[in-house]
Amino acid sequence: NAGVTQTPKFRVLKTGQSMTLLCAQDMNHEYMYWYRQDPGMGLRLIHYSVGEGTTAKGEVPDGYNVSRLKKQNFLLGLESAAPSQTSVYFCASSKDMRYGYFGPGTRLTVT
Amino acid sequence: AQRVTQPEKLLSVFKGAPVELKCNYSYSGSPELFWYVQYSRQRLQLLLRHISRESIKGFTADLNKGETSFHLKKPFAQEEDSAMYYCALSGDTDKLIFGTGTRLQVFP
Repeated sequence: NAGVTQTPKFRVLKTGQSMTLLCAQDMNHEYMYWYRQDPGMGLRLIHYSVGEGTTAKGEVPDGYNVSRLKKQNFLLGLESAAPSQTSVYFCASSKDMRYGYFGPGTRLTVT
Repeated sequence: AQRVTQPEKLLSVFKGAPVELKCNYSYSGSPELFWYVQYSRQRLQLLLRHISRESIKGFTADLNKGETSFHLKKPFAQEEDSAMYYCALSGDTDKLIFGTGTRLQVFP
């Protein structure tokens, strides 16, 4: 039982490049979330999903897209990376939105 | 709208001193509140939730609906308590909203 895993753990992008972050959970959770963590700003919700095939916007969705084609996976895409997207990205999943199990994080640097 | 406020970015205490990490929330319904902890370069972990009314690692938190607060307390801080602490709220929506966090430093 791996819990919540994230791929990759680290990535450096140049401005304008695209990439996809993968979050996977093996707990059969309905809810999945993507957060970004920045110094002094805490965790801010980017997008979330309440079930397979559904997605919704969080607090800071601009510049990101998501997909939940399979219940166990939640993908976060950056179509054209910008330096402002340099951050640590955390994925979380939960059974009933009550609280989340978090992944180990992905550290992304955009130069 | 859901909002969580943690007014202190940094709280520094000496080992053995009492600790109180403040959390205030804004929500018109009946919230569920949580405290998460993040040790250096580790993932966030759930510390406690208000509906459990439990004590974890010596920490407790009481929901005060009148003051819309959910402060985290520990009577005697330990060095291993040094970490980032986040207060979070889950309302009637599907979102789990976090505060900006408080870094607790416990000096020997």
